[in-house]
Amino acid sequence: AQTVTQSQPEMSVQEAETVTLSCTYDTSENNYYLFWYKQPPSRQMILVIRQEAYKQQNATENRFSVNFQKAAKSFSLKISDSQLGDTAMYFCAFIDPYTGTASKLTFGTGTRLQVTL
Amino acid sequence: ETGVTQSPTHLIKTRGQQVTLRCSSQSGHNTVSWYQQALGQGPQFIFQYYREEENGRGNFPPRFSGLQFPNYSSELNVNALELDDSALYLCASSLKGINTEAFFGQGTRLTVV
Repeated sequence: AQTVTQSQPEMSVQEAETVTLSCTYDTSENNYYLFWYKQPPSRQMILVIRQEAYKQQNATENRFSVNFQKAAKSFSLKISDSQLGDTAMYFCAFIDPYTGTASKLTFGTGTRLQVTL
Repeated sequence: ETGVTQSPTHLIKTRGQQVTLRCSSQSGHNTVSWYQQALGQGPQFIFQYYREEENGRGNFPPRFSGLQFPNYSSELNVNALELDDSALYLCASSLKGINTEAFFGQGTRLTVV
């Protein structure tokens, strides 16, 4: 079974600064998908960024980018120019394409990010 | 697109009772997954429905059951409620397959007393 580990329960960053959230995972598969989801106080999960394991290039979405290290099974999220609206829980998630679909995810325990003035 | 909507938003039940939670999937989505998110934890996969059939189940007892209707909306039923069932229940819909995006509802907060 796949597992996802987020070792930082809480992080804090000042507005306009950069912060990196860590995630490691364990799988025996060679092809899989990794995600970062944001859960603001409204509780609705929002997809931040997605990485396909067979793609060596790190995914980027505006201020959000990942550092995907397949051999180390590491998948960190970098948020640049942090904004107050980035305050939320962030979850790392995994899909095994052989057993899962887009809505069947394995989540980590989350990192609570607080952006301060 | 109408998005994923869940009802009710909050619910309080007594231990031993039964509860039904509802989810309307995003327009056109034929796959629905349910998750349980305990306080301070990540969501845990309960089960998934595809075209009205269960399509995978997580490590949850049989008293957690579900339905998917022809319009792809879904219900989660929990019998014999226990205190540990208190959690946020999330519904996510998608198309079948991997190269698509899952959309989540805002969840139902269930409190068992």
